[in-house]
Amino acid sequence: DAKTTQPNSMESNEEEPVHLPCNHSTISGTDYIHWYRQLPSQGPEYVIHGLTSNVNNRMASLAIAEDRKSSTLILHRATLRDAAVYYCILRDVSGNKLVFGAGTILRVKS
Amino acid sequence: GAGVSQSPSNKVTEKGKDVELRCDPISGHTALYWYRQSLGQGLEFLIYFQGNSAPDKSGLPSDRFSAERTGGSVSTLTIQRTQQEDSAVYLCASSLVSGGGNQPQHFGDGTRLSIL
Repeated sequence: DAKTTQPNSMESNEEEPVHLPCNHSTISGTDYIHWYRQLPSQGPEYVIHGLTSNVNNRMASLAIAEDRKSSTLILHRATLRDAAVYYCILRDVSGNKLVFGAGTILRVKS
Repeated sequence: GAGVSQSPSNKVTEKGKDVELRCDPISGHTALYWYRQSLGQGLEFLIYFQGNSAPDKSGLPSDRFSAERTGGSVSTLTIQRTQQEDSAVYLCASSLVSGGGNQPQHFGDGTRLSIL
């Protein structure tokens, strides 16, 4: 699986939008971009994924650069419950396991 | 609906003992994965099951680790002759179909294993 690069940590104020970046310059044409998050003492939770087009769901939005070498996870209004480690992961069409990096620790201030 | 269920949630045992960890995947999910997360470490893949195919055991750290999946549903991860370095959170995940980057994995909350 291709490698992703994320900032170690970010901080946000409650009720404000958060943009979490991910670089994946070696992405291949068949790699999907997945985002998971892990709250303290819980297993990872699926957030969103996409291939080429931007995606929206009830949790977040995923903005994918035109060249697909970077993407941004957008939380529209951060809450204290969004404080977690966010992982950006590439999965190819034949990939089975998830390969987790260090992720981004998101802190939300009230 | 019910998510992935793991038991026990916590397990403390003495070095050298064998342990069994259980995972109940989401009903209808054909793919099942085991990962572990050591203190201060990232999540690492252990083993993957898909239907009746031979499991992918490429992530198992030693021959003390083994796993079964009976009837295509429940899975058991067994660690024999436990060592202190086996202390970690063991996570199970399932998905509708394996392969294909277009399928999310759904995780349980893990079993926290502590070896004294």
